[in-house]
Amino acid sequence: QQQVKQSPQSLIVQKGGIPIINCAYENTAFDYFPWYQQFPGKGPALLIAIRPDVSEKKEGRFTISFNKSAKQFSLHIMDSQPGDSATYFCAASSGSRLTFGEGTQLTVNP
Amino acid sequence: NAGVMQNPRHLVRRRGQEARLRCSPMKGHSHVYWYRQLPEEGLKFMVYLQKENIIDESGMPKERFSAEFPKEGPSILRIQQVVRGDSAAYFCASSASNTEAFFGQGTRLTVV
Repeated sequence: QQQVKQSPQSLIVQKGGIPIINCAYENTAFDYFPWYQQFPGKGPALLIAIRPDVSEKKEGRFTISFNKSAKQFSLHIMDSQPGDSATYFCAASSGSRLTFGEGTQLTVNP
Repeated sequence: NAGVMQNPRHLVRRRGQEARLRCSPMKGHSHVYWYRQLPEEGLKFMVYLQKENIIDESGMPKERFSAEFPKEGPSILRIQQVVRGDSAAYFCASSASNTEAFFGQGTRLTVV
């Protein structure tokens, strides 16, 4: 019930492509869904987050799509750049603690 | 405004020694969380603290691990009698009440 399942485990795209990372959850009490970006040797950095009262949120090149009935949400990165190469984690919470997905290692080739 | 500060960044301990990891939250944040990340894995929740109180320790191993967040000073994650399986990156995050959590750079513990 507390799990967040993330896919794919790894993803390779060409510069300018639109990588899409998907997450699914079971716990309907979750009401906050952030995405974090992590570079090797660094801590996770908050990218963008959404609450279930909206179906989409866009910040710069990053967009979250949220499907409450399917209990799924996804991250889209528009016009991806080599500097976006990192590990991306989705997460969910119902007040305090975050439950993380297993991560997606994204590589953007020049 | 300084971010979440963790130290040390790297810590090497021999099996059986104690490890003490420190976390200073962002200014104005009174909520502290500790997470553990094994190589090539996601972050697993360990414990959630507010000043002088443990709110949720459901992710902490029952033995050898403890955490505190005193009235003054940083939060401390303490691991007694470390074993090789404790080798991981330990991340601290802080937040104000019901707001987004910001992470520190982590402490990478290696048990030899």
